[in-house]
Amino acid sequence: SYVLTQPPSVSVAPGETARITCGGNNIGGKSVYWYQQKPGQAPVLVIYYDSDRPSGIPARFSGSNSGNTATLIISRVEAGDEADYYCHVWDSSSDHVVFGGGTKLTVL
Amino acid sequence: EVQLVESGGGLVKPGGSLRLSCAASGFTFNTYSINWVRQAPGKGLDWVASISSSSTFIFYADSVKGRFTISRDNAKNSLSLEMNSLRVEDTAVYYCARAVDGDFFDYWGQGTLVTVSS
Repeated sequence: SYVLTQPPSVSVAPGETARITCGGNNIGGKSVYWYQQKPGQAPVLVIYYDSDRPSGIPARFSGSNSGNTATLIISRVEAGDEADYYCHVWDSSSDHVVFGGGTKLTVL
Repeated sequence: EVQLVESGGGLVKPGGSLRLSCAASGFTFNTYSINWVRQAPGKGLDWVASISSSSTFIFYADSVKGRFTISRDNAKNSLSLEMNSLRVEDTAVYYCARAVDGDFFDYWGQGTLVTVSS
């Protein structure tokens, strides 16, 4: 089955840029989606189709996807960005939704 | 306003059954695929099942296949998850989530907690 690998944690100072990776075999050939989840809340979509932003999501959030790695990039990180982030793909070979294990973003 | 509201969670013994519901409003329900996604306490997101807009395509995670059944009633704008032979490891908050073009999940409910314990 298809596996997505995320680092368990990423730490960044306010105002800096956070990069959260999502690794998978030839993930560049798939569409990748990213969700933000704060404690006690449901996940919120922040990036779809690799790099598109839903309305209401700040332009500080962007995404890229190539080769074996997709990346969520959060520029000018704010304290309010502290959350868990999950990547998601559809694995057509198994007809399964696959989530990465999640990355906890800590704002120092 | 798009809303998804889950209900039906609770405490059940191992081997028992439970039926979850998801009430949808604020959008044309019969044009969207809907998914169930769960999250065990302190753990990550775990996809459970997916059903297409007209119930033509239904998919399950390997961990629940044969035990869980997803269904929908487009006339009532509702989604269900029938869970049988429940295990301790099924303990989680269960979310229903709307899928755009069967791809990404743009709206999620607030979740309902299922606890499987003796």
